[in-house]
Order: sequence, then C-alpha cells, then structure tokens
Amino acid sequence: SQQGEEDPQALSIQEGENATMNCSYKTSINNLQWYRQNSGRGLVHLILIRSNEREKHSGRLRVTLDTSKKSSSLLITASRAADTASYFCATYTGGFKTIFGAGTRLFVKA
Amino acid sequence: GAGVSQSPSNKVTEKGKDVELRCDPISGHTALYWYRQSLGQGLEFLIYFQGNSAPDKSGLPSDRFSAERTGGSVSTLTIQRTQQEDSAVYLCASSSISTGIDTQYFGPGTRLTVL
Repeated sequence: SQQGEEDPQALSIQEGENATMNCSYKTSINNLQWYRQNSGRGLVHLILIRSNEREKHSGRLRVTLDTSKKSSSLLITASRAADTASYFCATYTGGFKTIFGAGTRLFVKA
Repeated sequence: GAGVSQSPSNKVTEKGKDVELRCDPISGHTALYWYRQSLGQGLEFLIYFQGNSAPDKSGLPSDRFSAERTGGSVSTLTIQRTQQEDSAVYLCASSSISTGIDTQYFGPGTRLTVL
C-alpha cells in the first residue's frame, strides 16, 4: 500500500484563492517532498522538508510537517490558473525507495 | 545540463507483442526508478536500481515485466506479451542519494497504448 495518502483527491478553486492539500503517511521518515505533475507527464520537485523541520517556505508555497501526526500540508497562496496540476507527496525513509501518494488534482479557475 | 530522457515518447503496439522502453538518467545519478501511471491515477512503483546493489523488483506486476540497467547508467524496461491493461504512462526517474536526500528527477515518460 502507498506510504503517503493525499487529501483531498481533487480540489477546485478560483484564481486568487489559497489551496491546501494534505498528506498522511505511516512510518518514520527522513524527509518528505512535494512534487507537481502537469498533463500526466514527468513530475517536478517543488519542496523538501526534513523530519526535524516543522515549516518551510518557497515563494507562494508553504509546507508544514507534523511528525507526531505523521502528516504534512502544502499550501499554495494566491493561486493562479497555471497552478492547475496534480500534486504528490513523497516520503523517503533513508536507504529505501521514495514512496509517492496517489496525488491531489488541483483545478484553478480563471 | 541534460535531464532524464526517455524513449520513445509514445508507443502503440498490438496485444501480445513485446516492447522495450528506454531511460537515460542524469549522469552520475546512482539511483534509478521506474513507475507506471494509469490515466488519472497515482504513481505505481515498479523497480528501483541503486548502484551495484541488486534491484528492488517488488513492484513489478507480473513476470512479463523485467528491467535492466547496464553499466550503472541506461535502463531498459521490457514488457513481454503486452496486454491492454499494460496501457499507461511509464515514468523513469533518477536521483543521487549520497547526501541522504532522495530528490527524484523525472523524465517526460513513455505513453504506451496496447491495442
């Protein structure tokens, strides 16, 4: 079964609104990453947060990590139509393969 | 610099035929992954190569699937006797985990259609 599970599965918002996606995982991790995928092709790495970090920012992206709850959230502020994509969390437990969740499909309406 | 490349970008084949998908990882990356993604779905892990270690084949769905990585670089995923349910996008990624961080760099994928 997948290590990471994203929630919601799909999200539709208006341009300018904030989008929040959540990820839960099952085992201890070294780090957690978020990726974006456009048009069903290759994924692009967005941001990485280490297990000893609680919050990380990159531009309009804000990621939080709660290791006690084994969960993470990705917040995209002031969304744009170009943010329309699928977003995946991926967990790395060290020495093993990174495991991806099923993804959240975000649709930003102009 | 060059990223991960995959070929072909699209492949249409008839049921029962064998196909080979190729992945050229980023030079120097020791880890290489193959994933399968069906339409609208998440990534399904297939196989993982790390350096000279034995590959992790735990994700291969059947014995019709196999992969090899020659010289620690280029990898080929082979699907024998293709079935219609094999239709999907096959994604390859590579990474360098020497720092203990496994950020994966993905290729554009090969879209396989089995008629």
